Amino acid sequence: LAKTTQPISMDSYEGQEVNITCSHNNIATNDYITWYQQFPSQGPRFIIQGYKTKVTNEVASLFIPADRKSSTLSLPRVSLSDTAVYYCLVGEEAAGNKLTFGGGTRVLVKP
Amino acid sequence: EAGVAQSPRYKIIEKRQSVAFWCNPISGHATLYWYQQILGQGPKLLIQFQNNGVVDDSQLPKDRFSAERLKGVDSTLKIQPAKLEDSAVYLCASSLLGGPNEQFFGPGTRLTVL
Repeated sequence: LAKTTQPISMDSYEGQEVNITCSHNNIATNDYITWYQQFPSQGPRFIIQGYKTKVTNEVASLFIPADRKSSTLSLPRVSLSDTAVYYCLVGEEAAGNKLTFGGGTRVLVKP
Repeated sequence: EAGVAQSPRYKIIEKRQSVAFWCNPISGHATLYWYQQILGQGPKLLIQFQNNGVVDDSQLPKDRFSAERLKGVDSTLKIQPAKLEDSAVYLCASSLLGGPNEQFFGPGTRLTVL
């Protein structure tokens, strides 16, 4: 089963770009990478998903190198409201596309 | 579009009592998930339904936890009897299909077992 490793916490300031790197050394060919965001007292919320190279949407970018052993979530110009826990997950096709949440990265955006 | 609904939002019980949680997924979503999230940890999948069939319940403590999804829509998760370590937030999520599809989470039910 693919396991993800990401930093426990990160601090940033308003207007800065935040990059969170996640390692997933055992990712299989057909597995995909997904990031979720969770605020206190709420359920996680989908941010972005990808298989390889770069994916961009209105809130974030996801960079996946060719070996796919890691991925980086990039949040451009963060605001105070981006303070949350960010989870990196690998969807494992061989396990019925099961998503396994790790401990996540607590991002604190300071004024 | 209405989101995933869960009730109750909070529940306090004593150990050895029983409790049930209810989830109404987004209309049309075939896949429904129940997660347990202990304070400070990421959510842990307890059970996954595809329509009214179980896809994965490998991490469900079957001696005390049970879940059903009658008619492939609403779902109920039950704990009987509850233990102190069951104190957690129970999250329900749904998606159109299993696999690489966005999961939509409900607000969760916070259970405290005394």
